[in-house]
Parts: sequence; structure tokens; C-alpha cells
Amino acid sequence: DAGVTQSPTHLIKTRGQQVTLRCSPKSGHDTVSWYQQALGQGPQFIFQYYEEEERQRGNFPDRFSGHQFPNYSSELNVNALLLGDSALYLCASRQPGLGNTQYFGPGTRLTVL
Amino acid sequence: AQKVTQAQTEISVVEKEDVTLDCVYETRDTTYYLFWYKQPPSGELVFLIRRNSFDEQNEISGRYSWNFQKSTSSFNFTITASQVVDSAVYFCALITDYGQNFVFGPGTRLSVLP
Repeated sequence: DAGVTQSPTHLIKTRGQQVTLRCSPKSGHDTVSWYQQALGQGPQFIFQYYEEEERQRGNFPDRFSGHQFPNYSSELNVNALLLGDSALYLCASRQPGLGNTQYFGPGTRLTVL
Repeated sequence: AQKVTQAQTEISVVEKEDVTLDCVYETRDTTYYLFWYKQPPSGELVFLIRRNSFDEQNEISGRYSWNFQKSTSSFNFTITASQVVDSAVYFCALITDYGQNFVFGPGTRLSVLP
């Protein structure tokens, strides 16, 4: 049973560029959430996708956008990259239901120069 | 608003010592879920436990145990006879009916020395 997978593992971009990160949820899961984890901090919720729609959104600017595909996989797009966007980006999936456990992928380490 | 506090930024113990990681949460919701996750150096968050607000029964799983007390809004995690492999950052997290999203604490970095 494959867990949550993310690609790429690492990414280096320069300010102003755009980036796309990808996530495949755990088998049987249809809800995907994205988190940003800055160095030394806890993960911060970006948004959640369910049935190909953004259902919840955290306190992140519109430069952060996403998409969910019919197979439940998801993408996170960040436009006009800033130095402060450098972080570990985590994807998590779960079955629908408030209290269901979220399972996390290994993350994508984004460095913005 | 929902909030999770982990007052211990870093803890260092010697192998075989017991260690308790503290977690205090804030929420006005009556229905909520609490979680603990482990983040080893590889970066992936590993699920450890989930408790709902209506179940205050403490839980033990091998060397791990959790103490949930609604009266003090705490959900503490104890590792008995710690091992070097327990070295990691541990996060406490909360999700509520109102918030609908995970709120994580800042994490506690545990170092277990041989």
C-alpha cells in the first residue's frame, strides 16, 4: 500500500519564478491538503482539496494556487516566488471526515535564491 | 481561535531515560481531535496517535503513552526508556469542527544521547 508521494524532492528557483509541486495521495484517500513548513517551525496550512475543488484555505496570498485531478492527485503552484517562500512543502491526504488522520508525504524542499 | 502550544523547544536526555513532551491547546469547540506526529531528520511527518475530545482515556502503545486532560487542555506524550532512534521533532496538532484545518504547535526537538 503506497503512502503519500511527492515530487520533486528538492527544487531551487530564483525570485520571481514560478514553481509546481506534485502530490499523489495514499490509496483510498480523496482529500488532499498542503502545508508550508519554514525552518524550525510547525507546518502552516495552505489549502485543502476535495472533489477537485478548494474547500479550505489558510492565510496565504493568491500567489499560492492548487489543483486536484480526477485521480485525486494534486498540484501546488506558487507564482512570483519570494525569498520567504523557501520552505519544506508537505502534502497530506486523508479519507473524508473531520477527525480522520492525515498522512503526510516526505515533502518537497524549495529553495528560492 | 485555535492554538497549540508546545512550551519545550528542545529537550535532551540520555538513552533509557523517560521523557515527557507537553502540549497545551486552546479551542472553544466542544468537538475536536488531537494528534501527535514525529518528524525525523528525513522530514516526513509520521502519525503517532489521534484522540477525540470525548475520549479522555489515556493510551499506551509500547514505550509511548499519552495523557489527555480536558480540565487543563493538555495532551502530553511520554516516551519510556528512550532510545537514540526517538530523536526527532515532535508536533502536537489540533483540528476542530469550526476550524476544519490542522493547527500545529511549534514542535519540540528531542535529542536522545547514547
